[in-house]
Amino acid sequence: GNSVTQMEGPVTLSEEAFLTINCTYTATGYPSLFWYVQYPGEGLQLLLKATKADDKGSNKGFEATYRKETTSFHLEKGSVQVSDSAVYFCAQNTGGFKTIFGAGTRLFVKA
Amino acid sequence: EAGVAQSPRYKIIEKRQSVAFWCNPISGHATLYWYQQILGQGPKLLIQFQNNGVVDDSQLPKDRFSAERLKGVDSTLKIQPAKLEDSAVYLCASSAVQVGNTGELFFGEGSRLTVL
Repeated sequence: GNSVTQMEGPVTLSEEAFLTINCTYTATGYPSLFWYVQYPGEGLQLLLKATKADDKGSNKGFEATYRKETTSFHLEKGSVQVSDSAVYFCAQNTGGFKTIFGAGTRLFVKA
Repeated sequence: EAGVAQSPRYKIIEKRQSVAFWCNPISGHATLYWYQQILGQGPKLLIQFQNNGVVDDSQLPKDRFSAERLKGVDSTLKIQPAKLEDSAVYLCASSAVQVGNTGELFFGEGSRLTVL
C-alpha cells in the first residue's frame, strides 16, 4: 500500500547549520507531496508542496524537490534558526483527498 | 478567514468513560477529517467526510469510536468506552473540493486526550 518513510529524529543542529530531512514514499500513481510543520503547542500547518515530478516546493527558506526516479522528497534549508525547532511531517496525497503522513522528525536548533 | 476550530483542547478521563470532541471546519470546506496522533507518531486517518457523507472510515475502531457530521458543517467524534491506548491528540482538518486542488489540509490545534 501507499506509505511515507522519513528519517528518525530527533535531529539537533546549531544555528546556521544546513538541514536535510530525508523522505521517501511508495505509491500507486503519481501523488502530490507535502511537508507539514508542527510548532510546539500548535496544530500542523503546510510548509510546502509539489504536485508533479521535478517540481520544487519552497517556503520560509525551506525547499524540497519531487524526485520520481528515487521516490523522494527531501526537505532542506541552508541555514536553520532556533525558531525552526519543530516537528516536520512528510506526506503524500494520491487523489481522493486521502493524505498519508510519515512518522515525523523532530528538529532542535541550538543557539 | 477563521481557521479550523476544535474543542476541548485538553481532556482527562478514566478508562471506560466516554468523551466527545467537536470540530468546526473552515467555512466552505466540504471535506472534513479526523486524525489520531499518538505521541511520537504521525497522524493516522480515522474518518473522512465529504459534506455529510462518510468517504473513508476504514481505520475507525467502530466498536468504540463514532463520528457524525449531520449538516455537512461541524462534526463530533465520540469515544465510548475509552481505553488507555486511546490517549492521543485528535486532530481535525478540512480541505476545499475544487478543480486543481492538490489536497492541502488545514488543521485545528487538536484535542489532547489522556485516559487514566
